[in-house]
Amino acid sequence: KAGVTQTPRYLIKTRGQQVTLSCSPISGHRSVSWYQQTPGQGLQFLFEYFSETQRNKGNFPGRFSGRQFSNSRSEMNVSTLELGDSALYLCASSSLTGGGYNSPLHFGNGTRLTVT
Amino acid sequence: AQSVTQLDSHVSVSEGTPVLLRCNYSSSYSPSLFWYVQHPNKGLQLLLKYTSAATLVKGINGFEAEFKKSETSFHLTKPSAHMSDAAEYFCVVSDHSSNTGKLIFGQGTTLQVKP
Repeated sequence: KAGVTQTPRYLIKTRGQQVTLSCSPISGHRSVSWYQQTPGQGLQFLFEYFSETQRNKGNFPGRFSGRQFSNSRSEMNVSTLELGDSALYLCASSSLTGGGYNSPLHFGNGTRLTVT
Repeated sequence: AQSVTQLDSHVSVSEGTPVLLRCNYSSSYSPSLFWYVQHPNKGLQLLLKYTSAATLVKGINGFEAEFKKSETSFHLTKPSAHMSDAAEYFCVVSDHSSNTGKLIFGQGTTLQVKP
């Protein structure tokens, strides 16, 4: 079974631009969660989608948004990029929502976003 | 609210010696606890999960963790370190209050393995 696939692996953008990141979950998984990883803040939850509905959102500004398609693939968008948005963005999928012990998260290798 | 505290930001061991990575948790509920590992430029890989069925949890690559409710701890151990174990390790608790895919991560422990 193929794992979680994130594209692209690396991105370089300029301040003020916008960016879209893509995530394909493990086949059969309906939940997709997004996390931001930075050296200073560590891993922080962005949002989770389940069956095309956003179920929870972390403490990020409205410039960060996402969506999920009927095939469970997900995209996240960051508008008006700031230098502080430079980070590794990780996507994770699970078979059920909740991320509990009966439905642990499986992570992709991430997209490294650099904002200059 | 749930939280996890990893007590060491950096641990250095020699190859073949035991590994101990310490984690304390705080949770109002019966927690779902995990350990994940991240190798450089990679995503996170699940090492093991606490399911409440047993307090001693065995994971992949020879790692184990013991859940101790009285000490609110979930320390990760391995009897003998291998060079390939060098990575960053995260202790994680699931946010039951939201019942969504929100995990709360510790700040991570970097494991260095010396030859």
